[in-house]
Amino acid sequence: GAGVSQSPSNKVTEKGKDVELRCDPISGHTALYWYRQSLGQGLEFLIYFQGNSAPDKSGLPSDRFSAERTGGSVSTLTIQRTQQEDSAVYLCASSLTIGFSNYEQYFGPGTRLTVT
Amino acid sequence: EDQVTQSPEALRLQEGESSSLNCSYTVSGLRGLFWYRQDPGKGPEFLFTLYSAGEEKEKERLKATLTKKESFLHITAPKPEDSATYLCAVQEPERLVFGKGTKLTVNP
Repeated sequence: GAGVSQSPSNKVTEKGKDVELRCDPISGHTALYWYRQSLGQGLEFLIYFQGNSAPDKSGLPSDRFSAERTGGSVSTLTIQRTQQEDSAVYLCASSLTIGFSNYEQYFGPGTRLTVT
Repeated sequence: EDQVTQSPEALRLQEGESSSLNCSYTVSGLRGLFWYRQDPGKGPEFLFTLYSAGEEKEKERLKATLTKKESFLHITAPKPEDSATYLCAVQEPERLVFGKGTKLTVNP
C-alpha cells in the first residue's frame, strides 16, 4: 500500500520567508509525528498528533514553528520568518496508534529545506 | 531524559565480513527499542522492534538482540547493498529518541 508522502521534496527559500511543509500519512494511522534531521545530528523530535490534537508542543524549536492536522489525515508544518539554522531535512512519520504494541513509526522521504 | 548512544560512528567492511553495531541506552523503563535503516536522501526504513531483554529478531542477514543496557545489530556476510546508516531509537510515550547512527559501508 501507499506509504507516507511528503511535499515538496526540496525547498529553497530566502531568509525571512515563510514555508509550509506537507505530510500525508498512511491511511488509517491515527498518530503522526514530525522530526528534523540536521547534518551530522540525530533525528530531533518536533511534535506529534493523535488524531487532530497536538497535546505537547514543547519540542518545537521556537514560536516561529507551528503545525496542524486536519481530518485526522494531512498535516502541515509551517515555519515563519525562516532562518539559516532552520536548514535541515524535515521528516514526517505515522503509526497506527500511540503507546501500544502497534507503535512502529513509518517515515516519509522527507523535505530538504535550504534557507539562503 | 532517555539517551541513546551508537557505536561505532562509521564502519567499513569487506563483503562477507560479519560484524556488529552497538546501541546503548539509558531509560527509566524500556517501552521498546527500534532499529531503522536510512539510505542517503531517504527517510528511515523500519527494521525491528525489541521489547524485552533476551529478545532476538532476524531479517535476512540482520539479527537484532537486546539486553537490559544495550542492543546489537549483527550483520552476517554483508553485501554492498547493506551499505546504509543504521539508526537505533528508544520509545518514550509519544516519541522516539534516536541515536546518531552508524554509517556502514560494505565494499565488494
